[in-house]
Amino acid sequence: KAGVTQTPRYLIKTRGQQVTLSCSPISGHRSVSWYQQTPGQGLQFLFEYFSETQRNKGNFPGRFSGRQFSNSRSEMNVSTLELGDSALYLCASSPDSALQYFGAGTRLSVL
Amino acid sequence: QKEVEQNSGPLSVPEGAIASLNCTYSDRGSQSFFWYRQYSGKSPELIMFIYSNGDKEDGRFTAQLNKASQYVSLLIRDSQPSDSATYLCAVLNTDKLIFGTGTRLQVFP
Repeated sequence: KAGVTQTPRYLIKTRGQQVTLSCSPISGHRSVSWYQQTPGQGLQFLFEYFSETQRNKGNFPGRFSGRQFSNSRSEMNVSTLELGDSALYLCASSPDSALQYFGAGTRLSVL
Repeated sequence: QKEVEQNSGPLSVPEGAIASLNCTYSDRGSQSFFWYRQYSGKSPELIMFIYSNGDKEDGRFTAQLNKASQYVSLLIRDSQPSDSATYLCAVLNTDKLIFGTGTRLQVFP
């Protein structure tokens, strides 16, 4: 079975721009969760989508949004980028939100 | 108080020894507990999960859960240099997986 695929792997943006990250889950998994990982804060939960509906949301500002398509692929969007948004963004897929399997991540640098 | 707490380490153990990694959590209603391993520059990899009080063994790894003490641990027997990584404890809380900040393990030859 193919694993979780995240694209792109690396991104460089400037402050004020917006960015869209993509995640294709493991076949058959309907839950996709997004996390932000930084050296200071560790892994922070952004949101979870299940069958195209946002099921849970973390404590991030509204600039962070996401969606899930009917084929379970998910996208995450960050608008009006700030320097502090520089991080590794990880997507995890799960059949039920408990056992989560991570993709390789997208490393975002905001200049 | 953080929801999931781990000692950041580093925990240094010699090759062949038992490494003991510990984690405490604040929500007494938590039901599911996970251990992930993350090598530097890589994404987390699920290595163990445990739902019931007691021990669960898988190869060189043993997860231990004590719900009364709100404590979960991971033992790595016969530690190898390839086990050197950061180990993340995660707790499932109302369908959200809450991670600790991880313990860095160093296994020296």
